[in-house]
Amino acid sequence: AQSVTQPDIHITVSEGASLELRCNYSYGATPYLFWYVQSPGQGLQLLLKYFSGDTLVQGIKGFEAEFKRSQSSFNLRKPSVHWSDAAEYFCAVGAPNTGNQFYFGTGTSLTVIP
Amino acid sequence: GAVVSQHPSRVICKSGTSVKIECRSLDFQATTMFWYRQFPKQSLMLMATSNEGSKATYEQGVEKDKFLINHASLTLSTLTVTSAHPEDSSFYICSARDKDTIYFGEGSWLTVV
Repeated sequence: AQSVTQPDIHITVSEGASLELRCNYSYGATPYLFWYVQSPGQGLQLLLKYFSGDTLVQGIKGFEAEFKRSQSSFNLRKPSVHWSDAAEYFCAVGAPNTGNQFYFGTGTSLTVIP
Repeated sequence: GAVVSQHPSRVICKSGTSVKIECRSLDFQATTMFWYRQFPKQSLMLMATSNEGSKATYEQGVEKDKFLINHASLTLSTLTVTSAHPEDSSFYICSARDKDTIYFGEGSWLTVV
């Protein structure tokens, strides 16, 4: 069965420090992979996505993510975190060619300290 | 990216009344839209998948007679919470599928008093 795991429920980093949020998935083939960010009381905004090709994808707000097939991972990174990055981050898996199946992780809450 | 708009962003209704939330895809046609419910500090709970021109597909445990979904056009899906009760108070989010990516609305806070 398809599933998404975000092992870290909550992460705290200092402003200016680097960030890595983990995401592992379970899927029978190469899935479509997504990262979304949710600010408090808001909807979800798409940060980046991976369908195929270059395994390192760039997104908005300075985020990037790397698809590692051997580890079934799609970790999100940012070299230098800003206070405005404090939010909830969701990893998601979409199943190609099924149209409607999207699976979300439970989210990682990011706190940024000055 | 594609834009999905949700309205209203906040609504308060009396217990026993019905309330409608709209989800619109502004710059693309969405044959498929999704409705989620989110409890504080929790992940998204998929309620139903809405397909244009056909009946919605509800997830297990979601009362289809209570949460009425209509997807009458390629750019609009509505969620109507009927006979609302305080336990229906929550954050409701819609999303719409554009090719192989889903885009989310801003969410709607429902408070039932």
